[in-house]
Amino acid sequence: EAQVTQNPRYLITVTGKKLTVTCSQNMNHEYMSWYRQDPGLGLRQIYYSMNVEATDKGDVPEGYKVSRKEKRNFPLILESPSPNQTSLYFCASRKTGTGGFIGSGANVLTFGAGSRLTVL
Amino acid sequence: AQTVTQSQPEMSVQEAETVTLSCTYDTSESDYYLFWYKQPPSRQMILVIRQEAYKQQNATENRFSVNFQKAAKSFSLKISDSQLGDAAMYFCAYTAEDYGGSQGNLIFGKGTKLSVKP
Repeated sequence: EAQVTQNPRYLITVTGKKLTVTCSQNMNHEYMSWYRQDPGLGLRQIYYSMNVEATDKGDVPEGYKVSRKEKRNFPLILESPSPNQTSLYFCASRKTGTGGFIGSGANVLTFGAGSRLTVL
Repeated sequence: AQTVTQSQPEMSVQEAETVTLSCTYDTSESDYYLFWYKQPPSRQMILVIRQEAYKQQNATENRFSVNFQKAAKSFSLKISDSQLGDAAMYFCAYTAEDYGGSQGNLIFGKGTKLSVKP
């Protein structure tokens, strides 16, 4: 089954304790992205990756790190979590476009099931 | 910068009735995609419908249809014959056409919570 898998789905941790949220996709997608969802703010992009070894900041990157050493994996790292990082996190992936071909249909994101993170 | 605005934080509809959720966006691009995503209590993000900006015809998926007004930068979602299972948070989203080298990042509105009354 084509899917994006995130782990853990739920986590309660304490301030300053490093944690990693894993994300893996089995669709050979080039593009991967992390979002956080907060009440009243919608989904905001943290980081994205266009392909292996190609990552870039989104709108709210502070306090997060990512890596893309393999095409299928895109972990989100919180080096020193703080309470304001308590949120619902989504990983998503899609194929990139085919270079100037309008309507390539490549822009539909597949989302993971979400990871609820609480930092005390 | 592109923005997406959903002006209705909450909406309510009677079962079997029709409801329209509003969305406006701001962009200087001419080629882009617009989406409506549904997020039920399970939190899963489910694609409801997609509209390509170069297509004049409004997209339709069963009971879901959109009213795409490109000049007005408006993209509303109409749900006909509302069902209890339609109760969810609905997000409008925008992305510019992906020409390989461009970002093509998805920008979301803040969401509209839809309640369906039996």
